[in-house]
Amino acid sequence: EVQLVQSGAEVKKPGESLKISCKGSGHRLTSYWIGWVRQMPGKGLEWMGIIFLGDSDTRYSPSFRGQVTISADKSISTAYLQWSSLKASDTAMYYCAAGLEFEFDYWGQGTLVTVSS
Amino acid sequence: QSVLTQPPSVSGAPGQRVTISCTGSSSNIGAGSHVHWYQQIPGTAPKLLIYDNINRPSGVPDRFSGSKSGTSASLAITGLQAEDEADYYCQSYDSSLSGVFGTGTKVTVL
Repeated sequence: EVQLVQSGAEVKKPGESLKISCKGSGHRLTSYWIGWVRQMPGKGLEWMGIIFLGDSDTRYSPSFRGQVTISADKSISTAYLQWSSLKASDTAMYYCAAGLEFEFDYWGQGTLVTVSS
Repeated sequence: QSVLTQPPSVSGAPGQRVTISCTGSSSNIGAGSHVHWYQQIPGTAPKLLIYDNINRPSGVPDRFSGSKSGTSASLAITGLQAEDEADYYCQSYDSSLSGVFGTGTKVTVL
């Protein structure tokens, strides 16, 4: 069994940077892929990218490549999602999720990011 | 922008069977990529319902079943219950191993 705990809600201004986290617990976590999923208010799920905790092999959706950075620290079983310059359109709920293949068996509770001047 | 198309909504009376389609292309589902299905009750995180086209994780009722053929996949819910009212999403991968979710389907129990 894997548990994912995400960092808390954030309120930021346009142009600011942000890094949110997703800490996993459970056995064999270095064998898992951890992905990030965006859900804008009232909208559907969007696959952003995924990272293999064991060696940090990373894949991005073309829609998000260059817009965010996904990273991980396997020593503390934590994945990160980072923005260098936030926009109002980044306002959304962000979920991390984990799976042994490319399905998402386990989900975090979500981190709400609000970007507003 | 999703390349997996689902009907926006489906509805059924308690006890009925409903199906949700997920239409892709030769670069994702049709290329042999697995399809997974998730249930999301509003205000909560999604939950894996079906993985690798047809398999149910432990704890998921056998009322839920998945299938795949060609460039499409389907999720069927038999014996519809009030607790099944939720949003449902399919997910697959394209040839560059970038994932994609479907557009989502709202299931309403009449």
